[in-house]
Amino acid sequence: GAGVSQTPSNKVTEKGKYVELRCDPISGHTALYWYRQSLGQGPEFLIYFQGTGAADDSGLPNDRFFAVRPEGSVSTLKIQRTERGDSAVYLCASSLLGESDTQYFGPGTRLTVL
Amino acid sequence: AQSVTQLGSHVSVSEGALVLLRCNYSSSVPPYLFWYVQYPNQGLQLLLKYTSAATLVKGINGFEAEFKKSETSFHLTKPSAHMSDAAEYFCAVSLPGSSGTYKYIFGTGTRLKVLA
Repeated sequence: GAGVSQTPSNKVTEKGKYVELRCDPISGHTALYWYRQSLGQGPEFLIYFQGTGAADDSGLPNDRFFAVRPEGSVSTLKIQRTERGDSAVYLCASSLLGESDTQYFGPGTRLTVL
Repeated sequence: AQSVTQLGSHVSVSEGALVLLRCNYSSSVPPYLFWYVQYPNQGLQLLLKYTSAATLVKGINGFEAEFKKSETSFHLTKPSAHMSDAAEYFCAVSLPGSSGTYKYIFGTGTRLKVLA
């Protein structure tokens, strides 16, 4: 079946602009996660959705970052007033229930802020 | 603090040699542990996971890992390296977060190079 998909695969933007990154999880997966992976680092947790609600957003670095999942399926990560330090690969993952379930990752969106 | 440490950011082995990638964790509760592999320009793919059943876990592509509570380790091994194993490997621990949720904490990764 279809895996987790993310669009766009690459996004180049200018400092100060607004960007949206989209994640389409595996059908039926109730849990959805966003991670950020900087060069040479492991993925860093940003936010976790269980259904439509953000169950844990403790990883969001500041209030410029926001994510939604209005219908419990597709999620959008939104970054306002982008900064060069936001440049990274943003990964989305989904799992069936959460907890110890395996997370299935998408290919990521590479964000470059000039 | 809960954490994952991967010793060795780069490991090189000869084709056919043993692969050993080290992972140590710090957790105040029994953890769930995972190894993921990431090929260039691809997403992370699960190799194997430990969820408190057997301590020796077998995964895909001939990899296995052993959970050793006394050493707080979950090292990844493969008896004979293949050229196609060249990739970056991440160890992760799943820990309870706020509101009864779970989240992954990843190590910084180990890049495996296989020499012909």
